Amino acid sequence: DVKVTQSSRYLVKRTGEKVFLECVQDMDHENMFWYRQDPGLGLRLIYFSYDVKMKEKGDIPEGYSVSREKKERFSLILESASTNQTSMYLCASSLTSGMQETQYFGPGTRLLVL
Amino acid sequence: AQKVTQAQTEISVVEKEDVTLDCVYETRDTTYYLFWYKQPPSGELVFLIRRNSFDEQNEISGRYSWNFQKSTSSFNFTITASQVVDSAVYFCALSPGGSYIPTFGRGTSLIVHP
Repeated sequence: DVKVTQSSRYLVKRTGEKVFLECVQDMDHENMFWYRQDPGLGLRLIYFSYDVKMKEKGDIPEGYSVSREKKERFSLILESASTNQTSMYLCASSLTSGMQETQYFGPGTRLLVL
Repeated sequence: AQKVTQAQTEISVVEKEDVTLDCVYETRDTTYYLFWYKQPPSGELVFLIRRNSFDEQNEISGRYSWNFQKSTSSFNFTITASQVVDSAVYFCALSPGGSYIPTFGRGTSLIVHP
């Protein structure tokens, strides 16, 4: 079974702090994704990566950056956290770049920025 | 551009009732994939089913069934004899031809009361 793990289930940070969210997958998947989920808005794609050191902006990249130094790990960075970044963050991975590929999700990180 | 509409924000039923979750999509591609995912209260989205645009055969898996109709651009999901464990948010998603980046609907929250 594919396993996608996220470093924290719950996180509380202060405005202006730098925040790191880590995601690790154990099945050698090519692609990794970061989404945020907000009530009534569904899943919105922040960034994705199709290979090591490669990254592409999603629909809402502002205020975020990412890093993928190893194939299994994809980090989301909030350079200076703001209250409007309080949200549920979901990491996902998929095996290849085919449209048929299923995404496998981690359990999510609930981030509260005070 | 692709679009997935889940018009039902929240559905509340009593155990053993049948319930249908609607999904309507828009795409100009003739080749695409449709997906359903389930997000239980634990937070992790779980893949339920995938259907490609050339396969309009309906599918039944236990209490779950899916009705794909290209003529109405719909991919509806029915749960028969619902159970409390079915309580979750359900997402419909579309991956168009040439892209492995799915577009998600906003989700339907299903609450099954005992």
